[in-house]
Order: sequence, then structure tokens, then C-alpha cells
Amino acid sequence: DGGITQSPKYLFRKEGQNVTLSCEQNLNHDAMYWYRQDPGQGLRLIYYSQIVNDFQKGDIAEGYSVSREKKESFPLTVTSAQKNPTAFYLCASSQGKGNQPQHFGDGTRLSIL
Amino acid sequence: EDQVTQSPEALRLQEGESSSLNCSYTVSGLRGLFWYRQDPGKGPEFLFTLYSAGEEKEKERLKATLTKKESFLHITAPKPEDSATYLCAVGFSGGYNKLIFGAGTRLAVHP
Repeated sequence: DGGITQSPKYLFRKEGQNVTLSCEQNLNHDAMYWYRQDPGQGLRLIYYSQIVNDFQKGDIAEGYSVSREKKESFPLTVTSAQKNPTAFYLCASSQGKGNQPQHFGDGTRLSIL
Repeated sequence: EDQVTQSPEALRLQEGESSSLNCSYTVSGLRGLFWYRQDPGKGPEFLFTLYSAGEEKEKERLKATLTKKESFLHITAPKPEDSATYLCAVGFSGGYNKLIFGAGTRLAVHP
């Protein structure tokens, strides 16, 4: 079945540590996205990529980094510069043309030790 | 400022008690309005896309409608399994495929 796979489901970060969240899709979608979800707030865009080897900052990119070396993969690194990283992180993908719906993975919950 | 507001924040219904969720938006050039369902600890599941005022979409007990300023998600004779958070998102001109999300409505349907 086609879909988006995020791993791990739960992740714990120590102070000063960088951690990387994985996102893989087999939907053959051009565009991929990372969102952060906090209680009582809408999803906020961290980074997005329209095509391989290209990505743009979203609304809350500070303290995060990404890469897009393969069409299927869009990993997110939460760096030590992100002072409030505890949240639910969601990866999504969509077809690159027109205003198409985004399809989501099941998320990674990141907590601070 | 482009924004999306959903109301109510939370809604409690008895099984079979129909109701509606609201999504109001202010964006410069609507390119699509999307409804999602999200269960606890899961990612949002796509339900509907609406592109123009007057458009309607239906799926089982759910019906989504769109006007120039808002969208409604009507739930007819809900069942406990309809309990979830319902998210609304809009795409806008110049935003490529970027979406603005509302904070969601938490729906609880009790037997």
C-alpha cells in the first residue's frame, strides 16, 4: 500500500543533542512537508520541498534543518538551537501540480529528557 | 493577514444528534479548502477538497459545503466512531501547495 512512513514513533532528546526524524513516501509525490503540532494550535509549517535537492523555510524554521537528496525521503533534524522542541511532528506529501491535498504520516512525538 | 478559524473548539454530541462544524477563512485568493480527520496519536486523514463557493462533497455521515467566507462540515446522525478532531486547511494564491491550518474542532460522540 502507498503511504508515508515516519520513524521513530517516539523520540527523546537530551540537552545539546541533535536528533533526526525520518520520513519516507512511496506515493511518487514531488512535494514534501514538515509540520509541528502543539496542543490547541493549528499545524505550523517548518520546511517544505517542491522537488529533489530544493527546499524552503516555512513559518518556524529556526532550530531545524532538512535535506532532500531523494524523491522518497525528507528527513528533519531538530538541532540543539531549538529551545522548545517538545511537540508532535508530522510529515506530509502531495503531488507537485495545482492545489492538491496533502497526505500525512502518523507522526513522531519528540520529548526532552 | 491570512488565517483560518474553526469553531467550536470542542463539541459533545449524543449518538444520532446531528450538528455542524465551522471553518471561516480570510485568505487572498482561495485555491482550495481541505477537511481532515485526526485521531489521537495519529496523522490527519484526508476527507474532502472544496474548490469553489457552492461546492458540496459527501462521505457517509459527513457533508462539506463551501461559501466565499466559510465552510461547514455537517455530521448527520453521528456514531461514537466519528469522535475525532476535525481539521480545516486552506490553500491560497501565491502559496504554491502551502496550507494554513485551523486549530481544529474536537468532537466527542457519546452512546
